[in-house]
Amino acid sequence: EPEVTQTPSHQVTQMGQEVILRCVPISNHLYFYWYRQILGQKVEFLVSFYNNEISEKSEIFDDQFSVERPDGSNFTLKIRSTKLEDSAMYFCASGIERALQPQHFGDGTRLSIL
Amino acid sequence: GIQVEQSPPDLILQEGANSTLRCNFSDSVNNLQWFHQNPWGQLINLFYIPSGTKQNGRLSATTVATERYSLLYISSSQTTDSGVYFCAGPMDSNYQLIWGAGTKLIIKP
Repeated sequence: EPEVTQTPSHQVTQMGQEVILRCVPISNHLYFYWYRQILGQKVEFLVSFYNNEISEKSEIFDDQFSVERPDGSNFTLKIRSTKLEDSAMYFCASGIERALQPQHFGDGTRLSIL
Repeated sequence: GIQVEQSPPDLILQEGANSTLRCNFSDSVNNLQWFHQNPWGQLINLFYIPSGTKQNGRLSATTVATERYSLLYISSSQTTDSGVYFCAGPMDSNYQLIWGAGTKLIIKP
């Protein structure tokens, strides 16, 4: 069964550094998402992406964050200048359509900011 | 916006026991997913269940969309069932998933 893959599985970065989290969505999917889960808390929506542009973003997704689909397969989340509070598990998801079909999740990237 | 409430927040059971986890929505949803988050943090998709009942082995789920709730049943629990169970459903306007706070399940041998 096709899977969403995320790399790296764990990223440790100094505060203030830029970090790029990478995702390869399922190949025929059209809708892409990033979610975040701070340790011990619920999963929160960050951003959705369709047709090479952001379709929705949450209040968390401020100017420090950006997303890109640089080629036909990768979907990346960039945090420009990381803060301690960016430490979290970041999940990428993809879906074949917005409604009436499930979102498929990767295994996540655990981001630790020192 | 839509609110998702899960109950109970914590559940401790002996191996072999059955359990029922509940998910309530403040507004109607046109689809719903159940996930198991294992101790390594991975989200395992259990069910996509906008309505009706589905079964997968020892797990089954029922969604009653008109009454805005969903139930996850785990029968004959095993220690590997331990973890946090989340339900999530989309907002009508943009289909981002709104998540409950989860039910933390501990199965003791």
